[in-house]
Amino acid sequence: AQTVTQSQPEMSVQEAETVTLSCTYDTSESNYYLFWYKQPPSRQMILVIRQEAYKQQNATENRFSVNFQKAAKSFSLKISDSQLGDTAMYFCAFMNTGTASKLTFGTGTRLQVTL
Amino acid sequence: GAVVSQHPSWVICKSGTSVKIECRSLDFQATTMFWYRQFPKQSLMLMATSNEGSKATYEQGVEKDKFLINHASLTLSTLTVTSAHPEDSSFYICSYRSGFYNEQFFGPGTRLTVL
Repeated sequence: AQTVTQSQPEMSVQEAETVTLSCTYDTSESNYYLFWYKQPPSRQMILVIRQEAYKQQNATENRFSVNFQKAAKSFSLKISDSQLGDTAMYFCAFMNTGTASKLTFGTGTRLQVTL
Repeated sequence: GAVVSQHPSWVICKSGTSVKIECRSLDFQATTMFWYRQFPKQSLMLMATSNEGSKATYEQGVEKDKFLINHASLTLSTLTVTSAHPEDSSFYICSYRSGFYNEQFFGPGTRLTVL
């Protein structure tokens, strides 16, 4: 079974600064997907960024980018130019490529962006 | 992205009663949907996978007779919490997987409070 670990329960960053959220996972699969989801106070889950394991290039989405280290099974999220609206819970998640395609979530990191 | 709705968004019920939560995919026919439970300040825990036209697959430790799932059409899945008790109070979230996008799209969630 896959496991996802987020070792930072809470983080704080000042507006306009950069912050990196850590995530490690464990799997015996060679092909899979990794995700970062954001859950703001509304509790709606929002996809931030996605990475396919077979792609060596790190995914980027505007101010969000990942550092995917497949051998180390590490998948960190970097948020540049942090904004107050980035305040939320961030969950790292793993999904296998089979038809079941279950998502396994980490425990989450609560990010607070301050003025 | 795809749109998923849930109804109701918040429900309060008395202990011993049953509550039905609906999850609809508004712009996509979903053969597979997922139901999660999220306790306060915790991560999402998968309860079951709902397959259209067949029985749901429950995760270990989830009582199938207590959490009844029906996925009768490609756009509607329901979760019924039978004989609800205060410990069932939680936030319930549905999602469906898009094979095209290789990701899950989440509903806005339903807050259940059992008195």
